[in-house]
Amino acid sequence: SQTIHQWPATLVQPVGSPLSLECTVEGTSNPNLYWYRQAAGRGLQLLFYSVGIGQISSEVPQNLSASRPQDRQFILSSKKLLLSDSGFYLCAWEGGYGGELFFGEGSRLTVL
Amino acid sequence: AQKITQTQPGMFVQEKEAVTLDCTYDTSDPSYGLFWYKQPSSGEMIFLIYQGSYDQQNATEGRYSLNFQKARKSANLVISASQLGDSAMYFCAMREISGYALNFGKGTSLLVTP
Repeated sequence: SQTIHQWPATLVQPVGSPLSLECTVEGTSNPNLYWYRQAAGRGLQLLFYSVGIGQISSEVPQNLSASRPQDRQFILSSKKLLLSDSGFYLCAWEGGYGGELFFGEGSRLTVL
Repeated sequence: AQKITQTQPGMFVQEKEAVTLDCTYDTSDPSYGLFWYKQPSSGEMIFLIYQGSYDQQNATEGRYSLNFQKARKSANLVISASQLGDSAMYFCAMREISGYALNFGKGTSLLVTP
């Protein structure tokens, strides 16, 4: 069966520091992968999606970037974090009859 | 423009009762998919149910059913026989044929009371 994991689960970082969140999918090949962000008490905002290795599409211009170095690995990065980058980050892969998304456990980022 | 609207920020329901969570959507695409997710306090997003725009029958998954009214552009989630474990945030989402993204509403907080 397919599984998705992301880490770290919790992160507290100072403003201006770098960021790396990792997401790995098992049990499927060439999945469409997504990074979403959820601000406190809000819905989900799509940040990036990828349909294959090295193929990244950005939905929202910001100081975050994404990379897909391997088929089942998706990385979210920043060179210098801002206070506004705080939030709950969710990685997801696309599957199922209707193309539903299956999410990882989430990474909670607090920028101080 | 907001594509998914969930007008109920919070809902209460008594255990064993049924509850309906409202969702309306806006699209001009002829083909689209509608989804509901549950987010408990732990934060993970759990897929519940899917409805395709061309599906003739309303989707059902166990205690969850989707009341799909295409002409009214509504896709309400019905939870039957509520349980305490159903207390969570519930999100409605849509994907249009023209895009990759699932667009989410702002969610409804459901509290099930004994």
